[in-house]
Amino acid sequence: GAGVSQSPSNKVTEKGKDVELRCDPISGHTALYWYRQSLGQGLEFLIYFQGNSAPDKSGLPSDRFSAERTGGSVSTLTIQRTQQEDSAVYLCASSSHGQGVREAFFGQGTRLTVV
Amino acid sequence: SQQGEEDPQALSIQEGENATMNCSYKTSINNLQWYRQNSGRGLVHLILIRSNEREKHSGRLRVTLDTSKKSSSLLITASRAADTASYFCATTQGGKLIFGQGTELSVKP
Repeated sequence: GAGVSQSPSNKVTEKGKDVELRCDPISGHTALYWYRQSLGQGLEFLIYFQGNSAPDKSGLPSDRFSAERTGGSVSTLTIQRTQQEDSAVYLCASSSHGQGVREAFFGQGTRLTVV
Repeated sequence: SQQGEEDPQALSIQEGENATMNCSYKTSINNLQWYRQNSGRGLVHLILIRSNEREKHSGRLRVTLDTSKKSSSLLITASRAADTASYFCATTQGGKLIFGQGTELSVKP
């Protein structure tokens, strides 16, 4: 596609349920990033993919969070047993260069609300 | 902790004035980037400055980099109401792109 696509754009879920967030990067981009942003805050790094592998998972807040990327393209971020503190905007970005020398292109994010 | 820290956290100016935002970082970098975010959604890349560059211009934007002080500044000249947004600096570290906390700029008409 022309840009990074994220779905859904908004998700309201009940506490304790699992959610799956999807990111479709720009075709050909090898690097893919997930971030979390709480209201009025900066971007919290979650995980980074280079191709299908994740060299750095250090930002995942807990073992309830996991992410995968298949075919060097689409990525899904899964949050199990959601908690209210998981409420935030989840942003995905892709870049054509794995070392981050090139600019990153962002999707519009998924706003997750846990009630 | 975040690699980049912006200063000030919030800035309010009148249309036509210049806006300066600063970013400090902690470790060695290959490059530093500035992004803009409207309405809490996707970020848009503004400019990238490499570690061997000291200054870069793009339209009304001027970015400086001082690697000895581990700091960068973003200057927006002749600001417009449409420049109202949050501005973030970002550095790369081992492939990770790490963002600061951002400066919230408000330009009043």
